Amino acid sequence: QSALTQPASVSGSPGQSITISCTGTRSDVGAYNYVSWYQQYPGKAPKLMIYDVSNRPSGVSNRFSGSKSGNTASLTISGLQAEDEADYYCSSRTTTTALVFGGGTKLTVL
Amino acid sequence: QITLKESGPTLVKPTQTLTLTCTFSGFSLRTSGVGVGWIRQPPGKALEWLVLIYWDDDKRYSPSLKSRVTITKDTSKNQVVLTMTNMDPVDTATYYCAHTIYSSGFDSWGQGTLVTVSS
Repeated sequence: QSALTQPASVSGSPGQSITISCTGTRSDVGAYNYVSWYQQYPGKAPKLMIYDVSNRPSGVSNRFSGSKSGNTASLTISGLQAEDEADYYCSSRTTTTALVFGGGTKLTVL
Repeated sequence: QITLKESGPTLVKPTQTLTLTCTFSGFSLRTSGVGVGWIRQPPGKALEWLVLIYWDDDKRYSPSLKSRVTITKDTSKNQVVLTMTNMDPVDTATYYCAHTIYSSGFDSWGQGTLVTVSS
């Protein structure tokens, strides 16, 4: 099972919106609405930001939103803030095993 | 409040077997839909899912590690145990355990434990 494909890095200025893509196949992202997104600061455990493609856990800012089209899922962060600078990972359920993660995206707030 | 904590050796030698324990509170592995997974992260690299066990003892393994990994649960002790055989330096990583309900993401994570494989 290959990792989901994410851009290595994205950047944006405070107040802007950015989108991180997560590309899989019809055996994972395209097969289920079970895509999750995680935020991770250096040296810290990941934090769930989005589950089931577009749902936010309690306490997560509504500046974070998720969507999916075909085999590609996306995480959008609007009103970018300095505290959003972190690594972001997507994951998806798969038809063959259970789960697969993306390679991660480093978000830089300029 | 859900909490999880990983415990085990911080250093193992090549070819040895690693055993890590995830001790949790705030939920029960007898509850329908609940699962505990193990995820690792080599220094400076991406997350890698390893294995997952559900309340009904259904177990799912990463294909690349299936031959080396075993997962068990002890519901009376609120623990999940990961065993990984034939450890290699490339297995050096921070190992996390995490809670999930069905496939809806890992919503609570342990702090992680760094395991170094070196002679």
